[in-house]
Amino acid sequence: GAVVSQHPSWVICKSGTSVKIECRSLDFQATTMFWYRQFPKQSLMLMATSNEGSKATYEQGVEKDKFLINHASLTLSTLTVTSAHPEDSSFYICSARVGTYGYTFGSGTRLTVV
Amino acid sequence: GENVEQHPSTLSVQEGDSAVIKCTYSDSASNYFPWYKQELGKRPQLIIDIRSNVGEKKDQRIAVTLNKTAKHFSLHITETQPEDSAVYFCAADDYKLSFGAGTTVTVRA
Repeated sequence: GAVVSQHPSWVICKSGTSVKIECRSLDFQATTMFWYRQFPKQSLMLMATSNEGSKATYEQGVEKDKFLINHASLTLSTLTVTSAHPEDSSFYICSARVGTYGYTFGSGTRLTVV
Repeated sequence: GENVEQHPSTLSVQEGDSAVIKCTYSDSASNYFPWYKQELGKRPQLIIDIRSNVGEKKDQRIAVTLNKTAKHFSLHITETQPEDSAVYFCAADDYKLSFGAGTTVTVRA
């Protein structure tokens, strides 16, 4: 149980274009979704926290106008990377809290901007 | 916010020996401490976790200890096997997960 489906698993886009990543909770309602970015050989860095029906909370240093997060329903949260540049190339992964303790993770999206 | 430090960054052990990874955290409000194993390009996999009201937890060859006073927790892997080679992350939960920098464990056959 508690599965988060993340799509796409990988995407290549041209500089200046936008890319949308979706995370869907399949068998539970995700009130809160966390979005992480992971550069090669580095740790997972929290970008933002999204709550269903409200604005996302962004971590310090994360551009909210560049990384648009929408959490319109209890089962869907999306991250849109706008005007992507090569330095945005990274592994993006979503996560949702499950119960009082515990988290489930999406399978991640490898974004390459060329 | 929470700050998690993890050491060492790399660890090489002989098969059959033990591996220990240590983490410290800064926020006393953190109450849940999971450990993850991550393969390249994959999602983190939970290997063991501990809640703040518990001092130690064991699951077969893996154990975690927590010292709330000192704000540190450790992962112990005994009788290491080649398949234990991976990147391991500790994390602390103060309503959101903050991850340590990771430890690359290599088990030499």
